Amino acid sequence: KQEVTQIPAALSVPEGENLVLNCSFTDSAIYNLQWFRQDPGKGLTSLLLIQSSQREQTSGRLNASLDKSSGRSTLYIAASQPGDSATYLCAVGSSARQLTFGSGTQLTVLP
Amino acid sequence: GAGVSQSPSNKVTEKGKDVELRCDPISGHTALYWYRQSLGQGLEFLIYFQGNSAPDKSGLPSDRFSAERTGGSVSTLTIQRTQQEDSAVYLCASSPRTGGAYEQYFGPGTRLTVT
Repeated sequence: KQEVTQIPAALSVPEGENLVLNCSFTDSAIYNLQWFRQDPGKGLTSLLLIQSSQREQTSGRLNASLDKSSGRSTLYIAASQPGDSATYLCAVGSSARQLTFGSGTQLTVLP
Repeated sequence: GAGVSQSPSNKVTEKGKDVELRCDPISGHTALYWYRQSLGQGLEFLIYFQGNSAPDKSGLPSDRFSAERTGGSVSTLTIQRTQQEDSAVYLCASSPRTGGAYEQYFGPGTRLTVT
């Protein structure tokens, strides 16, 4: 059974800092990995999708990497802004049918 | 274009009552998923539909839960004889197809409170 762990559970940084969120998973036989953000009381917004054959994806200030052999992914956020404050969720597609989610990292960017 | 929509946004019901939650996927998306987000369990998969294939019900927690998808589009998740532990946010997602290249797009969720 796939298990996904996210560290740290919470992170507080001053505006402008670069930061890294970590995600690890136990089974390297994956289809893809998806990073989401969730704002309080809202649904999930997809940030980046990395297919199993890819090493990284970039969108604006966000860069996500994938190392299947070690069961790890990182989400790098450059030049953080207060609007980046949210919970970030890592989800692993172990089959074509479902995602297995980590418990998330709650990020606060202080102005 | 329009995203995934869900209704109602909030539902309060008494223990023992039945509830129906609705999901409208993005037009043209053949795959539809239901997940549940609760304080103690995080986000967990419930059920998956792909086209006209039989649904994958492996995540449903009990036989009180069922779901259907009519005409390959709208889906309804039904919870019979609700219990307090059913209180959670129920999220629906859709994707163009299944496979590693396709993102899942989530709706805003339905917050269910069982009193």
